[in-house]
Amino acid sequence: QQQVKQSPQSLIVQKGGISIINCAYENTAFDYFPWYQQFPGKGPALLIAIRPDVSEKKEGRFTISFNKSAKQFSLHIMDSQPGDSATYFCAAIVTSGTYKYIFGTGTRLKVLA
Amino acid sequence: SQTIHQWPATLVQPVGSPLSLECTVEGTSNPNLYWYRQAAGRGLQLLFYSVGIGQISSEVPQNLSASRPQDRQFILSSKKLLLSDSGFYLCAWGQRNTEAFFGQGTRLTVV
Repeated sequence: QQQVKQSPQSLIVQKGGISIINCAYENTAFDYFPWYQQFPGKGPALLIAIRPDVSEKKEGRFTISFNKSAKQFSLHIMDSQPGDSATYFCAAIVTSGTYKYIFGTGTRLKVLA
Repeated sequence: SQTIHQWPATLVQPVGSPLSLECTVEGTSNPNLYWYRQAAGRGLQLLFYSVGIGQISSEVPQNLSASRPQDRQFILSSKKLLLSDSGFYLCAWGQRNTEAFFGQGTRLTVV
């Protein structure tokens, strides 16, 4: 119940296309969902985050869609660029709880020029 | 603004040698602190987390230990390294249980 399932494991997208990464969770106590971007040899960097009372949040080319009833959320990267090639992690946390972030297993995105 | 420092960036150590990785956070007080390990091409494994000085929670039984001697300092240690301890170690901090912020990591190779 503490898991966050992330798919796909890897993704190849043409430049200008839309990249979509999906995550699903079971624990309905999760109430904060950040996404991270990680380049090789670097630490993950916060990209965008959402709370379950919001169905969508957009920052630039990055959008999180949240479906509370389905317990699913997804990251959409519009107009994908080669510089977006990285590994993306979704995460979840119970903000009043155990202080532990539960991470998805990661999606390796490659955007072809 | 808050910053996190983690060092060294890379480390090559022989099997059986000790380990000490240090992480410090600036610009905040009483942060939650975390140590993660990431195997090549894999996800993030939580090793330890701390909600205050001297308070350490261990997630995975292993050859490692953690300490928090000061509010914004988090140390990962081992008395005797194993080959299986090789990996990418990441320190992170969080507050008010929102997002976590990561350091740049330490690439440890045990030979």
